Amino acid sequence: AQSVAQPEDQVNVAEGNPLTVKCTYSVSGNPYLFWYVQYPNRGLQFLLKYITGDNLVKGSYGFEAEFNKSQTSFHLKKPSALVSDSALYFCAVRANQAGTALIFGKGTTLSVSS
Amino acid sequence: DTAVSQTPKYLVTQMGNDKSIKCEQNLGHDTMYWYKQDSKKFLKIMFSYNNKELIINETVPNRFSPKSPDKAHLNLHINSLELGDSAVYFCASSQEPSSAKTQYFGPGTRLLVL
Repeated sequence: AQSVAQPEDQVNVAEGNPLTVKCTYSVSGNPYLFWYVQYPNRGLQFLLKYITGDNLVKGSYGFEAEFNKSQTSFHLKKPSALVSDSALYFCAVRANQAGTALIFGKGTTLSVSS
Repeated sequence: DTAVSQTPKYLVTQMGNDKSIKCEQNLGHDTMYWYKQDSKKFLKIMFSYNNKELIINETVPNRFSPKSPDKAHLNLHINSLELGDSAVYFCASSQEPSSAKTQYFGPGTRLLVL
């Protein structure tokens, strides 16, 4: 069975500091990994994904994520946080098999203070 | 131009009523999905359709019935609404059902059952 863990309910950082939002996964075979962001009362916006290739994936709004197969992790990072990055972040995994669903973590609230 | 749109945005109704939520995508995608986000922000897949055919049907009560009149539309009909159905329902679409394809989400329909 597939699963995703986001161990932190909330991450607090000061504007200008680097941020990391953690994600670990469990899936049979090769994983496809995604990060989405949800602003209050809005839908989910796609940030980035790892399918294959380079372990460091760059996405929208200056975010990046590093796929680590040995640690089964896909942490989201940004070198310098903005107040406008404050939102709810979801990590998601999908197995490389037909008919499987996208499984989401419980979400991590990022709060960036000025 | 909204890529994935949902109507209505808000829906307040009484227990026992029947209601429908509509979803349309103008991305030319073949695959569409319905997700439920509960009060704790947890997201879970409900259904997935590819070219009007059901391909994913998670453990959802029979009161929920998706209908896909064409590949650009996926509607969700809910019979005999219960208090526990209160949630935000998101529609999404992807180019094809492949696990590697990004899913793009609509703005959500906030359903409140009284």
